Amino acid sequence: NAGVTQTPKFQVLKTGQSMTLQCAQDMNHEYMSWYRQDPGMGLRLIHYSVGAGITDQGEVPNGYNVSRSTTEDFPLRLLSAAPSQTSVYFCASRMGNQPQHFGDGTRLSIL
Amino acid sequence: GDSVTQMEGPVTLSEEAFLTINCTYTATGYPSLFWYVQYPGEGLQLLLKATKADDKGSNKGFEATYRKETTSFHLEKGSVQVSDSAVYFCALILMDSNYQLIWGAGTKLIIKP
Repeated sequence: NAGVTQTPKFQVLKTGQSMTLQCAQDMNHEYMSWYRQDPGMGLRLIHYSVGAGITDQGEVPNGYNVSRSTTEDFPLRLLSAAPSQTSVYFCASRMGNQPQHFGDGTRLSIL
Repeated sequence: GDSVTQMEGPVTLSEEAFLTINCTYTATGYPSLFWYVQYPGEGLQLLLKATKADDKGSNKGFEATYRKETTSFHLEKGSVQVSDSAVYFCALILMDSNYQLIWGAGTKLIIKP
């Protein structure tokens, strides 16, 4: 079982570059989320989706876009990378009130 | 508003010591409660869960009991090992508000041999 797959695992960008973090799940989960994790800050919700075609902002959405054209995929786009976006990014999915499944994370550095 | 509060870390213990990591919550509805664990360099994994009052979740020697009267879900283990060193997150899902997931800040646990 693949579960939640994130790519890439590591990425280094220059300030101002754009990129897309990929997330795919094969469990037919309706809920998908993107979090960032910074030292001492726990998990902060960036954007989430309750189903295909439906997305909404989380706690820290600025500088990020998402789309949900299919149930399986939930990409996160950085529009113009800034050093403050250096972080570890986690994608997660779940069904209703069931436990959340996480990907292995993407470690992103912005120079 | 709804929230989860965990004890601050890091928590440092010797091998075979007894572990308690406190978690309390504030919720207007009837949440399901979870503990997740994050080992160094990895993503988060579900450790245990409880879906109603007085339920006890258990896994890998860890236990937590859903206490509605004290709005708590403290994580315990009788004898910790070095391999238990990780960050532990308490979380809840509110069924009354579109299944919103609310996270605690995480507690880092360090076990010394």
